[in-house]
Amino acid sequence: IAGITQAPTSQILAAGRRMTLRCTQDMRHNAMYWYRQDLGLGLRLIHYSNTAGTTGKGEVPDGYSVSRANTDDFPLTLASAVPSQTSVYFCASSPSGGGTDTQYFGPGTRLTVL
Amino acid sequence: GQNIDQPTEMTATEGAIVQINCTYQTSGFNGLFWYQQHAGEAPTFLSYNVLDGLEEKGRFSSFLSRSKGYSYLLLKELQMKDSASYLCAVIDSNYQLIWGAGTKLIIKP
Repeated sequence: IAGITQAPTSQILAAGRRMTLRCTQDMRHNAMYWYRQDLGLGLRLIHYSNTAGTTGKGEVPDGYSVSRANTDDFPLTLASAVPSQTSVYFCASSPSGGGTDTQYFGPGTRLTVL
Repeated sequence: GQNIDQPTEMTATEGAIVQINCTYQTSGFNGLFWYQQHAGEAPTFLSYNVLDGLEEKGRFSSFLSRSKGYSYLLLKELQMKDSASYLCAVIDSNYQLIWGAGTKLIIKP
């Protein structure tokens, strides 16, 4: 089934630990995105990639890193987790970057940092 | 700064019509999206407006007025499954997507 998968579905993590959230799409989309969603706030862009091999910083990149080694995968790494990174994380993709394309979202990862 | 305003929560009755408003102040405008998000699920695309006017798609319609910085999503013949959050998002002059906090719509029988 075409779409975006994310893993894990949920995770409880001790502060200071390293964590990688995985995201894979099989739609051959060029652009991919990582958002966090917190209660009362809109989706906030963490990092994005307009094509394999390139990445860019979004609105809230501090404490997060990404890589885009190929078209399908776009992992998000928290080097040393802090409680303020407790959130729901959504990965999304679109046929191209540049904003006017519809974005398709994965099911999300609920992360709790204690 | 960039800002998108939507009501936090609305309540409507099954079978009725509801209008969810979105006003925006952004650096430029290159289009506006509406997404639907059921609780605990991912946002899914509903509509895209870039020109003024009304776009109709079944029970859902979306309206845009660029001069007023205003859009609305109109839902007709409400069904219980329409209970969800509705997210407004604007593409700014840098082609970045700016998201509103969303409107939680509660449908009552």
